[in-house]
Amino acid sequence: AQSVTQLGSHVSVSEGALVLLRCNYSSSVPPYLFWYVQYPNQGLQLLLKYTSAATLVKGINGFEAEFKKSETSFHLTKPSAHMSDAAEYFCAVTPSGSARQLTFGSGTQLTVLP
Amino acid sequence: NAGVTQTPKFQVLKTGQSMTLQCAQDMNHEYMSWYRQDPGMGLRLIHYSVGAGITDQGEVPNGYNVSRSTTEDFPLRLLSAAPSQTSVYFCASRENTGELFFGEGSRLTVL
Repeated sequence: AQSVTQLGSHVSVSEGALVLLRCNYSSSVPPYLFWYVQYPNQGLQLLLKYTSAATLVKGINGFEAEFKKSETSFHLTKPSAHMSDAAEYFCAVTPSGSARQLTFGSGTQLTVLP
Repeated sequence: NAGVTQTPKFQVLKTGQSMTLQCAQDMNHEYMSWYRQDPGMGLRLIHYSVGAGITDQGEVPNGYNVSRSTTEDFPLRLLSAAPSQTSVYFCASRENTGELFFGEGSRLTVL
């Protein structure tokens, strides 16, 4: 079985500050990991994904995440927040090489303050 | 690039009514799924399909039916709507690496 825990349902940062959204996972086999973003009244879109290649993954809009097996973490970061980054972010996990569905975390709402 | 298309975007039902949420994808993905999204609960899987003619239950299947007669289409049926089914519903198709492609969502209110 797999699960995802996102620490902090709401995170606020000032424009230009570092964004750090936390995700910890559990999986009995090597995982594939994903970060999705959801803007108001829209569906989810993929930010980035880890599929067992490089552990530091770069995504769209300046976001990146690092897979740390020893910490079972896949935290999302961005060096400098922009107002347009305000959205809800979801971490998700699936066992690698499996047809099983993704398991999603409960989401983190990011607010960017001017 | 159509991707995943859901209809309708908004629907209001009375308790006990039935309806179908439509979902179509043009990426030739074998895997399709339906999620519901409720505040503070993330996305919960309702039903999924790994190919035409094959469907299975997810985490919260009660009160919903699905069928998959073609690769492209995966409709979700509410048999007898209840207020607890008020939610935003997302259809998604999936490629081999596990990446999901989502529709824009269908917001359902059951009175």
